[in-house]
Amino acid sequence: SQQGEEDPQALSIQEGENATMNCSYKTSINNLQWYRQNSGRGLVHLILIRSNEREKHSGRLRVTLDTSKKSSSLLITASRAADTASYFCATANFNKFYFGSGTKLNVKP
Amino acid sequence: GAVVSQHPSRVICKSGTSVKIECRSLDFQATTMFWYRQFPKQSLMLMATSNEGSKATYEQGVEKDKFLINHASLTLSTLTVTSAHPEDSSFYICSAHRTSGFYNEQFFGPGTRLTVL
Repeated sequence: SQQGEEDPQALSIQEGENATMNCSYKTSINNLQWYRQNSGRGLVHLILIRSNEREKHSGRLRVTLDTSKKSSSLLITASRAADTASYFCATANFNKFYFGSGTKLNVKP
Repeated sequence: GAVVSQHPSRVICKSGTSVKIECRSLDFQATTMFWYRQFPKQSLMLMATSNEGSKATYEQGVEKDKFLINHASLTLSTLTVTSAHPEDSSFYICSAHRTSGFYNEQFFGPGTRLTVL
């Protein structure tokens, strides 16, 4: 079965606040990636964290990975209205990707 | 960068017809490509793995005769939805695999929205 659960399913915050999304997975992974998707559009790759890494930063994004708990979190700091989108984690086990259920983020101006 | 294109971006067809969707890696070779489908407000579900020069491998529950995959070259994979029905209406996304050492990378196409009337 395809793996990956995310919470919360939906998150609504005010512009300027931080947004945290969590992802849990079931099997061993090579890496975990986070993507965003605007409504009805394709995927935009945000960040990749390898299985031997614990934390990674990219601009306003901070990703953590805990392989012992099989979980990851994505933190978006100082959110903007343009961050409104759905966010998915994807776990990679060699060649195959499995996507989480996604978090729909709404940032209110 | 690594760019993956899909064509068409949007297609509307009548029930019973077949629709072909192309996925191309524009500036790298991809021995493996993947096809996903996404229903509205849901996540992406892996449908099949497309291997250049060999048969595709399908995920459990995906009908191989319904969703024909051909990976004819190192830069092109096609998905044909045969005898399409309204329940096949979905957003189809492909990705192309590029191996970077041990840590693999996949690059996603922009998606194709299929509407079956």
